[in-house]
Order: sequence, then C-alpha cells, then structure tokens
Amino acid sequence: DTGVSQDPRHKITKRGQNVTFRCDPISEHNRLYWYRQTLGQGPEFLTYFQNEAQLEKSRLLSDRFSAERPKGSFSTLEIQRTEQGDSAMYLCASSLAGTLQETQYFGPGTRLLVL
Amino acid sequence: AQSVTQLGSHVSVSEGALVLLRCNYSSSVPPYLFWYVQYPNQGLQLLLKYTTGATLVKGINGFEAEFKKSETSFHLTKPSAHMSDAAEYFCAVSDSYGQNFVFGPGTRLSVLP
Repeated sequence: DTGVSQDPRHKITKRGQNVTFRCDPISEHNRLYWYRQTLGQGPEFLTYFQNEAQLEKSRLLSDRFSAERPKGSFSTLEIQRTEQGDSAMYLCASSLAGTLQETQYFGPGTRLLVL
Repeated sequence: AQSVTQLGSHVSVSEGALVLLRCNYSSSVPPYLFWYVQYPNQGLQLLLKYTTGATLVKGINGFEAEFKKSETSFHLTKPSAHMSDAAEYFCAVSDSYGQNFVFGPGTRLSVLP
C-alpha cells in the first residue's frame, strides 16, 4: 500500500491554457474523490467515482472541468481554458465503499497557479 | 445535509500546554466524524474518526476526541502540545455510507516555545 499519489505536485499555467492532473488511488479502493481547496479554507467536494462510474458532481464543477476514471483505477481531472480563479490545491482521495467504517485517504495534492 | 463549524480559525498554545480545537456539526442522520491534519503544502492525514461505539476516540500523535451527541460536538484535544503539532486541523462529517463528506473551514494551530 503506497497511499494515494498525485501528479504533478505543482503546476503553473497561463490563463486560457488547459491542464490535466492525475490521481492514483490506493490499489484496492473502489471510490475516488476530487476536492478543491483554496487558501485558508477546507476542501470542497468536486466529484466522485465508484469504479469507473462518475456518481456525483458538485455545482462547483463548471463545464470547463471534466474528470474521468476510465478503467476504475487512476483518474484524471482536466480544466479547460483556465481562469485565475481556478488557482487552488486540487486534492484526490480514495476509499473502499461498502465498509461500515469507510474512510477517505488523501493524496498530497496538486497546487495550481494560473497567471 | 451535513455541515461543520470550527470555532477559532487560529489557536495558539505554548509548548506543553493543553490543545483544544472545537468542532460542532449538523447532521440529519447519525454522523461519522473525522479529524484530519494538514501540514504546509501537503495533503490531509487522518488523525482519528468516530463511527459507532465508544464516544471517546484515540488517534495518532496523542490526540483524542469525544463525540457528544447532546452537544453536537466532536472537539479535539491533546494533553501536551509539541512543536511538531503546528499545522492546520480540519473536522469533517459524513453519513454512514461515506457520502456527503463535508469539511469545516479549519483551525490553524500554532505552538509557541
């Protein structure tokens, strides 16, 4: 068990560019979550997958954002036409659904800065 | 729907002093409650959680929290603060299926020498 990993750890981009982040969950976990965290705030839920199915999306997830988990393992989060307001830490978490004491385990995050 | 409030965005304690970080929740269903810690530029690490059973929960690094249903609280304590405890602490609530996971705004803990 190597934990949840995210790549890249940091990304600087210019406004209008597209960016893609990757998350690799704990291998046996079937749920995967994406959160956004801005400075001084707690993480805000964006979306989650159970296996390859995207089951819920927050209204925070505008149509410029898309997430995939094609094989039920790793996931990608793409932001198109980035805006300065997209600057934040993007956190990924995974969990094993169906357990009574389900717990989310978080990755180190990808910090995005849009110039 | 669930929600979490954390009283005090910033708490300072002296090294060796008691740490008390407050968390109150609102939930329409029996809650699962969590405390996470976040060090600068890192992800969140689970400190402890309450799901069912004993209401006093012990976690890592000497932290513990007590679930008080009547007060809708889940305050985090540690008897003696260490310099390495300086970090951001987040309380979170979910339903029993791990759904509707909601974080509080966080409390930044500073430990003074």
